[in-house]
Amino acid sequence: ETGVTQTPRHLVMGMTNKKSLKCEQHLGHNAMYWYKQSAKKPLELMFVYSLEERVENNSVPSRFSPECPNSSHLFLHLHTLQPEDSALYLCASSQGATGPNYEQYFGPGTRLTVT
Amino acid sequence: TQLLEQSPQFLSIQEGENLTVYCNSSSVFSSLQWYRQEPGEGPVLLVTVVTGGEVKKLKRLTFQFGDARKDSSLHITAAQPGDTGLYLCAGAILRLTGRRALTFGSGTRLQVQP
Repeated sequence: ETGVTQTPRHLVMGMTNKKSLKCEQHLGHNAMYWYKQSAKKPLELMFVYSLEERVENNSVPSRFSPECPNSSHLFLHLHTLQPEDSALYLCASSQGATGPNYEQYFGPGTRLTVT
Repeated sequence: TQLLEQSPQFLSIQEGENLTVYCNSSSVFSSLQWYRQEPGEGPVLLVTVVTGGEVKKLKRLTFQFGDARKDSSLHITAAQPGDTGLYLCAGAILRLTGRRALTFGSGTRLQVQP
């Protein structure tokens, strides 16, 4: 049990659908992250939230819309995605976004397939 | 963008063999982390090294941070099938904003055959 849960674990959606990914952390952390993991590519940081405020957006297309209603929950709203957006989407949390070690605790991921 | 290169990309060995995985960069990191990721799961933190030259041991795994804090290695002694997975290194830098950024390597995929 990593303390970070993600739902759904698998998602297949058409390009015109709207769906949301959910992440919840039970570790008392105050920073949360969305990462994208594609085959043969390093983990790509998408968004960073610290104390419920978005502090980083790494040039992510607007078809991805994050939401952080509180320090324990993080959502990624998806709409009009492209097939190349198919990937494993990982949520992570850490105790602060400025701490000396910046250790990330990951959820199991959502395997997204866009058809 | 800081680049972390991991080598080898793939490694298939027999149970009981030793192996070393490398993580190299031209950038200096305030700390470096190693993660292991199994199929269908997220990465799990194994260790964080902070001081140049630091060596940490986790059972059969030995992690070393380079003196200049630009590189790291992971050595596994007497590999077991349970060691199979994707090994990721990640370096942390401190930005001018005061926030840290974590850069991940592309990973080493290890397969240990029984």
